Amino acid sequence: GAVVSQHPSRVICKSGTSVKIECRSLDFQATTMFWYRQFPKQSLMLMATSNEGSKATYEQGVEKDKFLINHASLTLSTLTVTSAHPEDSSFYICSARDKTGGPTGELFFGEGSRLTVL
Amino acid sequence: QKEVEQNSGPLSVPEGAIASLNCTYSDRVSQSFFWYRQYSGKSPELIMSIYSNGDKEDGRFTAQLNKASQYVSLLIRDSQPSDSATYLCAVRVDSSYKLIFGSGTRLLVRP
Repeated sequence: GAVVSQHPSRVICKSGTSVKIECRSLDFQATTMFWYRQFPKQSLMLMATSNEGSKATYEQGVEKDKFLINHASLTLSTLTVTSAHPEDSSFYICSARDKTGGPTGELFFGEGSRLTVL
Repeated sequence: QKEVEQNSGPLSVPEGAIASLNCTYSDRVSQSFFWYRQYSGKSPELIMSIYSNGDKEDGRFTAQLNKASQYVSLLIRDSQPSDSATYLCAVRVDSSYKLIFGSGTRLLVRP
């Protein structure tokens, strides 16, 4: 299957700093990428839909000024957690859809990035 | 509100048994359904996808879809300890391709 790479896999930062997470589609072009967040023992919650060349669409309750998403190319989307606080500590996972994929809509997931805010 | 419901478990089965995982969804217009497996601390990996009513088999896995009852299930035959994981049901609810996930069912396969 297609490969989606996330970096970094783990990051620890101090409260108040900003952290950038990268999501790359390695062998396909992704016009759409999705960012999910998963707290311990909970399911994946969709944060936002990232579209190449346009503004991201955020789910209800997700602060767009805190979670900055940039999708500047067909293979790269970034999520920046600004002024991170301990409650932002979570597992962040991106997924991508191959632009040449059919209507079935299979998504490919990155390995995830575990953020710990001290 | 569009929802995907799963029993959190844990579902415990002996090695070699059939594990049955169930999922219901609220949005009648949903067209695509997926089962993902997630090991602790790892990202989800796709196990099965199903789009039409009926059964779809792939190796030891069988997905079953009943759109009238808004119900999708996953059967795992000859369960192995390595199948122990959390199984997430996901539903594509509109043309945007975004997936809505259930809370997951934790499966334990006892040796």
